[in-house]
Amino acid sequence: NAGVTQTPKFRILKIGQSMTLQCAQDMNHNYMYWYRQDPGMGLKLIYYSVGAGITDKGEVPNGYNVSRSTTEDFPLRLELAAPSQTSVYFCASSYSPNEKLFFGSGTQLSVL
Amino acid sequence: KQEVTQIPAALSVPEGENLVLNCSFTDSAIYNLQWFRQDPGKGLTSLLLIQSSQREQTSGRLNASLDKSSGRSTLYIAASQPGDSATYLCAVRPRSGSARQLTFGSGTQLTVLP
Repeated sequence: NAGVTQTPKFRILKIGQSMTLQCAQDMNHNYMYWYRQDPGMGLKLIYYSVGAGITDKGEVPNGYNVSRSTTEDFPLRLELAAPSQTSVYFCASSYSPNEKLFFGSGTQLSVL
Repeated sequence: KQEVTQIPAALSVPEGENLVLNCSFTDSAIYNLQWFRQDPGKGLTSLLLIQSSQREQTSGRLNASLDKSSGRSTLYIAASQPGDSATYLCAVRPRSGSARQLTFGSGTQLTVLP
């Protein structure tokens, strides 16, 4: 019973590098989300998707891109990493807005 | 814009106490409200979800209430245990919006002392 799986768990990037954070869920959920969590703060929505082929910006999308080619996968792409992107990133999913949200275990990213 | 506030930011109680965590929100037009638990270095786990038409939800020693008119929710933890130590976050989903994105509070860090 995997739920929401995120990889990698930790990553250190140099300024200007790029990387993709992977997220997969095996619950056949339509809705998937990417959040970032900064110390002492609530979670901020980066991008979300309501189904395969459909994505939209959240509150803090600048510097990120997403795609949703399948129901299961929702990768987050960081282009030209900046120190301001140092954060913990969480992927989450739900079947509908009416139901509980399930989270992955997070990716701790440092940009130096 | 919806704002969600959780006060206090940190709380320490002795084992066995009953306690209440608070969550307030500025816009009462919500679809639902969730309470989450986050352990250090881990993701969030949904504890309780209250629909806008409901007044409360219960799960074991946890009871969450919702008062939309006053913009408040509380999470009641009965007979607290050291294993309850974690950060508790509330989040509201607005009634409007294509995916009804959640707005999170910054959480209350709870420590239950043995």
